[in-house]
Amino acid sequence: NAGVTQTPKFRVLKTGQSMTLLCAQDMNHEYMYWYRQDPGMGLRLIHYSVGEGTTAKGEVPDGYNVSRLKKQNFLLGLESAAPSQTSVYFCASSSLDRDEETQYFGPGTRLLVL
Amino acid sequence: GESVGLHLPTLSVQEGDNSIINCAYSNSASDYFIWYKQESGKGPQFIIDIRSNMDKRQGQRVTVLLNKTVKHLSLQIAATQPGDSAVYFCAEAYYNQGGKLIFGQGTELSVKP
Repeated sequence: NAGVTQTPKFRVLKTGQSMTLLCAQDMNHEYMYWYRQDPGMGLRLIHYSVGEGTTAKGEVPDGYNVSRLKKQNFLLGLESAAPSQTSVYFCASSSLDRDEETQYFGPGTRLLVL
Repeated sequence: GESVGLHLPTLSVQEGDNSIINCAYSNSASDYFIWYKQESGKGPQFIIDIRSNMDKRQGQRVTVLLNKTVKHLSLQIAATQPGDSAVYFCAEAYYNQGGKLIFGQGTELSVKP
């Protein structure tokens, strides 16, 4: 049981380039989330999904797109990367069962945009 | 708007002492609150949560207290150990928004041996 995994672990982009971050979970969770964490700050929600084929905006959605084509995967896309998107990105998943609401986090993807 | 914040950015304690990490929140609509521990280079790790209709919950060496009157949350760690050194975040959670979490800034706990 790997939990939540993220690919890649680290990436360097030039301004204007695009990329996709992949999150996968093997816990059969319905809910998945993408957060970004900047130095000295807590995590901020970018987008989330309450089920396969559904997505919703979080606190800081601008500049990002997401897709949830399969229940176990949640993709975060940057169409035209900007230096302000340099951050650590965390994916999380949860069942939102009232007895088990915990969000389980992946190890993070460090993104540097030059 | 929604905001969750922490009173102290850093906390240094002696090994074996008890630690208390505080958190203030501004939105009364959250369904429950969660404390996370984040070690350097890792994702947040769940410690303990408390529903908004409770005022205290205990886990192994940890206790969370919720005071809705003053919108204050605290995490108490008993007999703090070097392995407890990390950044601790409180977060508000909302069931009706897909379990959305609003995180506070974080408190860095440093345990001196």
